[in-house]
Order: sequence, then structure tokens, then C-alpha cells
Amino acid sequence: ELKVEQNPLFLSMQEGKNYTIYCNYSTTSDRLYWYRQDPGKSLESLFVLLSNGAVKQEGRLMASLDTKARLSTLHITAAVHDLSATYFCAVDMTTDSWGKLQFGAGTQVVVTP
Amino acid sequence: KAGVTQTPRYLIKTRGQQVTLSCSPISGHRSVSWYQQTPGQGLQFLFEYFSETQRNKGNFPGRFSGRQFSNSRSEMNVSTLELGDSALYLCASSWVNGDTQYFGPGTRLTVL
Repeated sequence: ELKVEQNPLFLSMQEGKNYTIYCNYSTTSDRLYWYRQDPGKSLESLFVLLSNGAVKQEGRLMASLDTKARLSTLHITAAVHDLSATYFCAVDMTTDSWGKLQFGAGTQVVVTP
Repeated sequence: KAGVTQTPRYLIKTRGQQVTLSCSPISGHRSVSWYQQTPGQGLQFLFEYFSETQRNKGNFPGRFSGRQFSNSRSEMNVSTLELGDSALYLCASSWVNGDTQYFGPGTRLTVL
């Protein structure tokens, strides 16, 4: 069974500093997604990474994928308060996934001055 | 383009009752997936429908069922509600398998 592990599960960030969230998964997959969830809200798609070495950037967030290491990272540059949310990575199997995403437990990010 | 919509947004039911939740996908999207989100178990896949066919099912009891209509709208039904069914139920749509899934606002179900 595909397992997805995120760490840390909680991240207290200081504004202006850089941080990284890690996402490890247990079996071969070359499709990885990052989502953001604000309290009481739904999931917002941030990035989809489709191949080994893929890197995507949007604003202060940058995501990368290493399929050989089965590892994705979400890097936050110069954290600001607006980035406070819970971040999820999700993976699907390359074959027979049929709409099933396996999510990590989420990383709750709190950015303070 | 309108996003994924879910109705109702909030529901309060009592144990033993049944409930039906509705999801309208983004126009043109044919795949609809359902997830349950709870603080203890996180996000868990329920099932996926494509062209009115259930293609995948998660590890949930038979009390959880769903269907998809010809216009890609989907419903899920939970019968004989239990306290543990209290959760946020999220629907997501995508154009094809492997495409990014876009999530609706969810239905918050509380079982008393």
C-alpha cells in the first residue's frame, strides 16, 4: 500500500526566514501534488510535479520532485503571515490510480512576526 | 470557469439516519472523486466515478455509496449514520485520470 509521510507535522516559522517541508512516499510514482488548506476551507492546488527533477515555483513557494529518492520538498522563502495554512502533499499511483490520491498527514504552518 | 460546488455545506444528522451529499464538477471534468477528512484519520479516499462508472473505491464500509449522472454530477450516500461519520466530505473533479484534482468547498457532516 502506498504510504505518504510528511515532516514536520507542525512548523512554526518566523517571518523572513526560509523553511522546507518534506514529503516521502513508499512506492514508485511520478505524479506528486501539493495542496494548501486554510482553516475551515477546502484544498487549493499549488503544484503538480510530473517527472523526476521537476521544479515548480510560485511566489515564495518552490516545490521539487526526486522520484528516485521518492522525495518531494516544498521550500518556503522569506515566510510571511499569509502563508500560514496546512500544506498537504499527495501522490497517486502511475497506473490504476483512477482518481485516488494518497495524502500525507499535512504540515501545519504558523508564521509569526 | 466555475469551480466545484457541493451541497449542502453543512448537515446535522442523528445516528441511524441516512444522508445524501451532492457534487457538481467543473464544467468539462468527467472524473469525480470523494474524500473524507477527519482530524484523526486525515484525508481518505472514498471512491471515484468516471462516465457514470465507479472505477475505484477506498476502504470504507458498504454504508458509503455513490453514483454519477450523465452530466458528471455526483452524489454520495451514507446510510445508518454513526458518530464516527462526522467529517468534512470533499469532492474533487478532474478532466482525466492523473490530471490535477480540484476540490470543492466540502460538506461538513455532524452526526449526533
